[in-house]
Amino acid sequence: EVQLVESGGGLVQPGGSLRLSCAASGFPFSGYEMKWVRQAPGKGLEWVSYISSSSDRTNYADSVKGRFTISRDNAKNSLYLQMNRLRAEDTAVYYCATNSFSEWEPPESWGQGTLVTVSS
Amino acid sequence: QSVLTQPPSASGTPGQRVTISCSGSSSNIGSNYVYWYQQLPGTAPKLLIYRNNQRPSGVPDRFSGSKSGTSASLAISGLRSDDEADYYCAAWDDSLSGVVFGGGTKLTVL
Repeated sequence: EVQLVESGGGLVQPGGSLRLSCAASGFPFSGYEMKWVRQAPGKGLEWVSYISSSSDRTNYADSVKGRFTISRDNAKNSLYLQMNRLRAEDTAVYYCATNSFSEWEPPESWGQGTLVTVSS
Repeated sequence: QSVLTQPPSASGTPGQRVTISCSGSSSNIGSNYVYWYQQLPGTAPKLLIYRNNQRPSGVPDRFSGSKSGTSASLAISGLRSDDEADYYCAAWDDSLSGVVFGGGTKLTVL
């Protein structure tokens, strides 16, 4: 069974940085693409970033491009999201997610999420 | 403003059949699979339908999905009070090289 557990969320000031982690288990992590999706309080879902299984392909939503960096460590079965120059509008629950069929499809499995609050 | 368009709300009475629509374009729904999620308050999205009309194991056959051209729909039959939730559609977008979501539909069981 796919298990995804996010951590690293918390309160950070505008302009600050935070690194999210996602621990994966129950599936061959090194063979799966991974995504980050976020949800602002009371709002809908927004795709943030994607990384291929071997890290040779990444992409970002325009809203985070140049500020966020996705990475993974297949030896540790872990996914990361480095978030710099944070803004109030980055406040959201961040989910890591994956799809076993194809990297070019929406998520199939989701973690429980970690809350990031950007506020002074 | 979401790339995929869903009605903000839908409602029905227990036992009824309701449908939720999702409209997109040639770069997303028109050329890629559609997924549907159910989200209860304070929880992560749960996969209801994948690849347009496939149900994961454990999802009741009361839930069904369909796609035609650049639109898709989710149908829920035999409506129950515990179906009250937010429902989202999603698809890969070839132009954005990323996932696009609908704005969500809040389903109320009257």
